[in-house]
Amino acid sequence: EAQVTQNPRYLITVTGKKLTVTCSQNMNHEYMSWYRQDPGLGLRQIYYSMNVEVTDKGDVPEGYKVSRKEKRNFPLILESPSPNQTSLYFCAIGHSYNEQFFGPGTRLTVL
Amino acid sequence: GENVEQHPSTLSVQEGDSAVIKCTYSDSASNYFPWYKQELGKRPQLIIDIRSNVGEKKDQRIAVTLNKTAKHFSLHITETQPEDSAVYFCAASRPGNTGKLIFGQGTTLQVKP
Repeated sequence: EAQVTQNPRYLITVTGKKLTVTCSQNMNHEYMSWYRQDPGLGLRQIYYSMNVEVTDKGDVPEGYKVSRKEKRNFPLILESPSPNQTSLYFCAIGHSYNEQFFGPGTRLTVL
Repeated sequence: GENVEQHPSTLSVQEGDSAVIKCTYSDSASNYFPWYKQELGKRPQLIIDIRSNVGEKKDQRIAVTLNKTAKHFSLHITETQPEDSAVYFCAASRPGNTGKLIFGQGTTLQVKP
């Protein structure tokens, strides 16, 4: 069974304090992606990775960084979080962008 | 840039009725169109998808139709049940190996018993 783990699941932090949301998969899938979900805006892609050391910007990459040093992990880094990054974040995996399987989500609040 | 418009934003139907959600995409080169269902407090889950070389696809009570000329695709749910109540998202991908998936804004479907 596909497993996508996100940590933490909930986080309240303050403006400017660097944070990392981890995403880990056990399926050996090449493709991983990060989305943010906001009311009325649907799911918006932040970054995606087609394979190790290959990452690219989605539609809303500003203020975020990612890395893909190994296949199973795809952390999302907020170097200097701001209140407009308060959102629900999902990591997703797949053989490609098709048939993506989503993680459980991370609810982030930036005060 | 690529855009996906989804309508309606909310939809309320009686149990047993049909529900239709429509999406329009802007990039005529898009070739993959999935639909995701998100129950309250849970993650989005893929329920059906269609590729640009197919006009219609069915899976039990759900079906998706694609009109490439008009650049729109629709989700049809027949004989709706209370457990169909959820937020539904359409999406469209760019062709080639780009990895980008553009989602619509979502439709909240309420099925009244």
